[in-house]
Amino acid sequence: NAGVMQNPRHLVRRRGQEARLRCSPMKGHSHVYWYRQLPEEGLKFMVYLQKENIIDESGMPKERFSAEFPKEGPSILRIQQVVRGDSAAYFCASSPWGDRVGQPQHFGDGTRLSIL
Amino acid sequence: GESVGLHLPTLSVQEGDNSIINCAYSNSASDYFIWYKQESGKGPQFIIDIRSNMDKRQGQRVTVLLNKTVKHLSLQIAATQPGDSAVYFCAELSRSGTYKYIFGTGTRLKVLA
Repeated sequence: NAGVMQNPRHLVRRRGQEARLRCSPMKGHSHVYWYRQLPEEGLKFMVYLQKENIIDESGMPKERFSAEFPKEGPSILRIQQVVRGDSAAYFCASSPWGDRVGQPQHFGDGTRLSIL
Repeated sequence: GESVGLHLPTLSVQEGDNSIINCAYSNSASDYFIWYKQESGKGPQFIIDIRSNMDKRQGQRVTVLLNKTVKHLSLQIAATQPGDSAVYFCAELSRSGTYKYIFGTGTRLKVLA
């Protein structure tokens, strides 16, 4: 299966801990997007990255959240000092050329983050 | 701000009937739209897309219609099957600033046996 891979599928953290969510894009895709989804709601854009660059982080909270997409390895969404409100499903999507072209993004099955 | 919204949050359809899911978008400059299907516990799955130079596009059992005059998008599913039960999202490619997709809140389709 050469789809977008996210891990872990489920992550439980206590308040104040750090959460690290990983995303491996489809083979050949160099554009990665992170979205957040609350139950019964749509996907909210968080950040758009290319290899080693953050292109658009306008949807990401200014504090505690960070994202990277290194030259080698998966993209990482990092949430420091988690709070109950961070509980959500986090989805990663990838595409080969970026949204300028207008093309479907391919999604992973998400990481469900639960904060105790 | 820009938004993509749906008229019906939940749609119940008899198996074998046709389903129509609607979406309104606010940015007349948007030129690319996608419909996604999301099953419980899974990520969104691409169904069909359409560019603004078209008003209709057909796939296997699905048709997307685009009415730019009223900024309306619809997804038609023919002969709805139990496996079609899911949440359906439309997404609009926003070209304000950097390019990114804006997703609607979704419509839950329930197929009744």
